[in-house]
Amino acid sequence: QKEVEQNSGPLSVPEGAIASLNCTYSDQGSQSFFWYRQYSGKSPELIMFIYSNGDKEDGRFTAQLNKASQYVSLLIRDSQPSDSATYLCAVNMGNDQFYFGTGTSLTVIP
Amino acid sequence: GAGVSQSPRYKVAKRGQDVALRCDPISGHVSLFWYQQALGQGPEFLTYFQNEAQLDKSGLPSDRFFAERPEGSVSTLKIQRTQQEDSAVYLCASSPRPGQGNSPLHFGNGTRLTVT
Repeated sequence: QKEVEQNSGPLSVPEGAIASLNCTYSDQGSQSFFWYRQYSGKSPELIMFIYSNGDKEDGRFTAQLNKASQYVSLLIRDSQPSDSATYLCAVNMGNDQFYFGTGTSLTVIP
Repeated sequence: GAGVSQSPRYKVAKRGQDVALRCDPISGHVSLFWYQQALGQGPEFLTYFQNEAQLDKSGLPSDRFFAERPEGSVSTLKIQRTQQEDSAVYLCASSPRPGQGNSPLHFGNGTRLTVT
C-alpha cells in the first residue's frame, strides 16, 4: 500500500473556477504535508506546506488538513491556464523521509 | 540566488555503461535527497544524506546504485551497468534543517537518463 494516494486525474476546470485536489496518507504519525507543482519537463516547486489541522491560505491557494481523516487538500481559487500542471502531495513522517503521491494532472480551460 | 544544481541535464547511456550524476545543493543545506521519477509518476525516494552521512539508502533499487557525499556538500549518484529500466529523471533535493518535518525540499532541475 502506497503511503500517499492521489487521484491521477486528469482534472479539468474552466478558467476562474475553483480546482480541488485531494490527497490521503496512511501513516498516522505523519507530521507535515506539502504541495508541489510540477510543469511538464520541469522539477517540482513548492506551493505551500501545512502541519496543523485546519486551513492555511496563501493568495489563491488554500491547503486544508484533517489529521483524523488522514487527508490533505489543495484548493486553487480563480484558476488560471498557467495553473495547468501536475500537483504533487508530499508527506513527511518527521524523520526527514518524504513520501510523494503520483500527482494529479490539472488542466485549466480558457 | 543559487538553487540546487544538477548535471548533466540529459544523459544517454548504452545498456551496460556506468553513469555518474552530480548534485550541488543550496549552500548550507544539511540534508540532501535523491529521487527517481518515472514518466507519469511521483518522485520515488532513493537515498538521503545528512551532511556526509548517508542515513537512509533503503530506496536504492539494486546494488548497481551508489551515492556519496564525501564532504557534506556535492553529491554524486552512480549507476553501474545501466539497464533500460533505469531510464527516468533523477531529482536531487536539499533541505536546510534536518530532523524538522516542516522544512521543505528544494529541487534541482533533474537529470533525464535514457538507457538505450
